[in-house]
Amino acid sequence: SQQGEEDPQALSIQEGENATMNCSYKTSINNLQWYRQNSGRGLVHLILIRSNEREKHSGRLRVTLDTSKKSSSLLITASRAADTASYFCATSGSARQLTFGSGTQLTVLP
Amino acid sequence: DADVTQTPRNRITKTGKRIMLECSQTKGHDRMYWYRQDPGLGLRLIYYSFDVKDINKGEISDGYSVSRQAQAKFSLSLESAIPNQTALYFCATSDNLVGTGELFFGEGSRLTVL
Repeated sequence: SQQGEEDPQALSIQEGENATMNCSYKTSINNLQWYRQNSGRGLVHLILIRSNEREKHSGRLRVTLDTSKKSSSLLITASRAADTASYFCATSGSARQLTFGSGTQLTVLP
Repeated sequence: DADVTQTPRNRITKTGKRIMLECSQTKGHDRMYWYRQDPGLGLRLIYYSFDVKDINKGEISDGYSVSRQAQAKFSLSLESAIPNQTALYFCATSDNLVGTGELFFGEGSRLTVL
């Protein structure tokens, strides 16, 4: 079963615009991570936010975490065509494993 | 060279055949994982291993088995492949952070079972 669910499933924007993806999860977590996957390739880790953190930045990425709402968002600012990919959230809880959501497919149009 | 290497990258086989997917890593991590990816379903955990003597079932282990031959090697076997095991398979590693830290993924093994 999926712990995290991303919203929207697909997002299409113009280059230069901001892209926001949301992740909701069901049970308590130790941390939440975001990954990127280019078509047919392996996933690449983007950012990790711990349960006691509310916001984290990395370059053009901004991640927020609201544990009371069991939700997180990933904001990509000033998007580029090269940002076109699938983005997954993954949660780490009491189990010794990461559980992935079903992903958001982002298309950035040049 | 890639830190996490999967072989084969692509495989087409027939129902009932035994298939082994291999994973090797040069990151020196103790923890290794096998995930399966199907369109629209994200990644689902098949098996994971926290060291050579520690093997654990994941969410969808039925029909699969694994072997941790060494710290750097973790292989996934399908004893008798069936068409619904057609998927993209990923191996991943992580270090021993408290909780679960960042995963490092291989490039995937695309398996088609006819």
